[in-house]
Amino acid sequence: DGGITQSPKYLFRKEGQNVTLSCEQNLNHDAMYWYRQDPGQGLRLIYYSQIVNDFQKGDIAEGYSVSREKKESFPLTVTSAQKNPTAFYLCASHARNYGYTFGSGTRLTVV
Amino acid sequence: LAKTTQPISMDSYEGQEVNITCSHNNIATNDYITWYQQFPSQGPRFIIQGYKTKVTNEVASLFIPADRKSSTLSLPRVSLSDTAVYYCLVGDAPGSSNTGKLIFGQGTTLQVKP
Repeated sequence: DGGITQSPKYLFRKEGQNVTLSCEQNLNHDAMYWYRQDPGQGLRLIYYSQIVNDFQKGDIAEGYSVSREKKESFPLTVTSAQKNPTAFYLCASHARNYGYTFGSGTRLTVV
Repeated sequence: LAKTTQPISMDSYEGQEVNITCSHNNIATNDYITWYQQFPSQGPRFIIQGYKTKVTNEVASLFIPADRKSSTLSLPRVSLSDTAVYYCLVGDAPGSSNTGKLIFGQGTTLQVKP
């Protein structure tokens, strides 16, 4: 089955550490996105990429970094500069005439 | 992308029809209206999409008046498993070039009671 796989499902980070969240898709979609969701809130865009080797900042990019070396992969790194990283992170992809598909999310907690 | 306004929460009982209305006064001519459903700790899932009048699928119906400044998601005979957050989004036109991002509001939290 085609879809988006996010890993890990749960992630714990110590303060001052960088952590990387994985997002892989086998849908052959060109565009991929990272969203952050806080309790009781909607989704906020962190970064997005419309083609390989290119990406743009979303509304809350500070403290995060991404790469898009392959069409299938769009990893998100939460750096130590992100002061409040505890949240639910969602990856999505998009293709013309297909719409948006979301992964099942990664819950990051700072300990 | 047009801004949307939805009720924060709604309650219903099993077997009832639920209608959730979304306002999008600044919708553009080429914009479509799309609804997503999200369960706790999961990613949003596509429910239905439309441009005007009425669209129906196996899950829901979408009613869009002629001025397109609002839309209503209708869920027939809800069950406990329909308890979720429902998001209304404007701008994801099928077949269009990638617009780059979706704008999610807070959505409507629907609580279905026994």
